[in-house]
Amino acid sequence: GDSVTQMEGPVTLSEEAFLTINCTYTATGYPSLFWYVQYPGEGLQLLLKATKADDKGSNKGFEATYRKETTSFHLEKGSVQVSDSAVYFCALSEGAGTALIFGKGTTLSVSS
Amino acid sequence: GAGVSQSPSNKVTEKGKDVELRCDPISGHTALYWYRQSLGQGLEFLIYFQGNSAPDKSGLPSDRFSAERTGGSVSTLTIQRTQQEDSAVYLCASSFTGGPEAFFGQGTRLTVV
Repeated sequence: GDSVTQMEGPVTLSEEAFLTINCTYTATGYPSLFWYVQYPGEGLQLLLKATKADDKGSNKGFEATYRKETTSFHLEKGSVQVSDSAVYFCALSEGAGTALIFGKGTTLSVSS
Repeated sequence: GAGVSQSPSNKVTEKGKDVELRCDPISGHTALYWYRQSLGQGLEFLIYFQGNSAPDKSGLPSDRFSAERTGGSVSTLTIQRTQQEDSAVYLCASSFTGGPEAFFGQGTRLTVV
């Protein structure tokens, strides 16, 4: 079945450092890919998405590119802030009406 | 409503009791999902509704778990004879049929003592 694998955390960075959180997937079809974020005490919210190969999703300075050849969707940010501290989940969906399949989540902690 | 609403936000129950968790999806969203979030386990898919029917209930962990949806809107997740391992945050999400992007509620934190 479909699955998502993301790097184990926690990831601890200083403010303004470069962030990469790796995500790879296994899917039978051509899924859409997502990054969701869960800030402390809040619910999950969509951070960015990409629906086809070579698409780049971006939001709040975060980016991820859909790489079909490596089945990856790595999350990057050039300069993290303390407010980016959260748990980040990579996810895929095979299409409308199918369940989102999530990775286990990566905790990011940014210190000033 | 403006977002997905779940109730209660917190529930403490004794082992062996039954519990019901409620989800009110975003108005007009035909798809509804239940997930379970446990420490170290990430987000575990439980069940998916399209309208009032559940084409995918493959994630329900045992026959103690059931869910229903009525009127294409509110959904209830029922856990019978709760066990300590059922302690987790139960998340509900909804989406339009036409797209896989899901909007999540704040979750119900269930503690079985």
